[in-house]
This record gives sequence, structure tokens and C-alpha cells, in this order.
Amino acid sequence: DVKVTQSSRYLVKRTGEKVFLECVQDMDHENMFWYRQDPGLGLRLIYFSYDVKMKEKGDIPEGYSVSREKKERFSLILESASTNQTSMYLCASSFGELNTGELFFGEGSRLTVL
Amino acid sequence: GNSVTQMEGPVTLSEEAFLTINCTYTATGYPSLFWYVQYPGEGLQLLLKATKADDKGSNKGFEATYRKETTSFHLEKGSVQVSDSAVYFCALLKGYSSASKIIFGSGTRLSIRP
Repeated sequence: DVKVTQSSRYLVKRTGEKVFLECVQDMDHENMFWYRQDPGLGLRLIYFSYDVKMKEKGDIPEGYSVSREKKERFSLILESASTNQTSMYLCASSFGELNTGELFFGEGSRLTVL
Repeated sequence: GNSVTQMEGPVTLSEEAFLTINCTYTATGYPSLFWYVQYPGEGLQLLLKATKADDKGSNKGFEATYRKETTSFHLEKGSVQVSDSAVYFCALLKGYSSASKIIFGSGTRLSIRP
């Protein structure tokens, strides 16, 4: 089975702190994604990457950055956390050069910014 | 632009009831359509998909038919179980390049009473 592992299920941070969310997949997938999930808004794409060291902005990239130094790992970085970044963050991966829409998700990281 | 609209929840049904969760989309051309499910405490997982008009996706007793004329992809199940309690997301994908993005609906929470 494909496994996408997010490093922390629950985090509590203070405003202004730098936050790292880590995601690792074990199936050699080319594509990796970071979404945030908010009630009533569904999933919104923050950033995605289709190759090592490649990244593309999604729909809501402001306040976030990403890093993909190795194929299996995709990190989301909040340079200076703010309360409006309190949310559930979901990492996903998919296979192949073409995006078929079949994503494999991690269990999510719930971030609270105080 | 492309968008997905699904019925608001929560939806509460008794076990063995018939389920319909409505989903309509806005997109030019022929997007691929998906239903994802998120069980409590877990990440999203693909439930079923359809890639062209009149296709029927099916899995675990759930079905959805791609209706181009009504731009709909309603999810149905003939007899729900308590274990079907989850949040269901309708989604679309336009194009297959690595830059193509999946657009998710806001999600519908389903609760099944024993």
C-alpha cells in the first residue's frame, strides 16, 4: 500500500514562529501536493511539485513556501505563522508525469496558531 | 473558471437508507470527475472516478454517473451502513499535464444512525 506520512498530527505554535510541516511518501511518486482544509471551503491547493527541486504555486501560496530536496520528501514552511493559518494541512502524492487525479493523502496535520 | 458545488451537510440517515449526495460542476470541455472520502481521523482516499460523459464509476456499493447534459456527478448508494459515516468530496480535473490542478468541492458530512 502507498503510504504518505506527515510528521506531526497536532501542532500548537505562537504567532510569528517558523513552522515546518514534513511529508514523506514511500512509493516513488513524482508529484506531491500540499492542501489546507477548512470547514465549508473544502481543500485548497497551496503548492505542488512534480519533480525534485521543482515547485509550482497553487491557489493560496501567500504566507507559505515549500522545499523538495529529495523525491520522497515535500516540506511546507510557514515563515512567520499567523492566526489565520490555523487549519488542517494535508499532504498528497501521485504517480506519473501526467496528473491523473488519483491522489494518495496523508492523515493530516492540524496546526493551531495562538 | 472551473468549480465544483456539492450539497451542504450534514446529511443524517438511518442504516439501510438510500443515499444521494448531489454534485454539479462548471468547466469547459470534458473534465475528469472524482469522489473522495475522508473517514474520521484519516486522510482522503479516492472512492470512484469517471473520465468521460456517461461513464459510471463504482466502488464499495457507491455509484456516480458522469452527466454532461446536466453537468452533474451525484453519488448514490442503495443501502448505507454505519461504516459509511464520513465526509465526501466531489472533485474535478481539467487536463492531464503536470500543472493540472484538482478542484475539490466543500465536502458533505454523512452520518448514519444504527
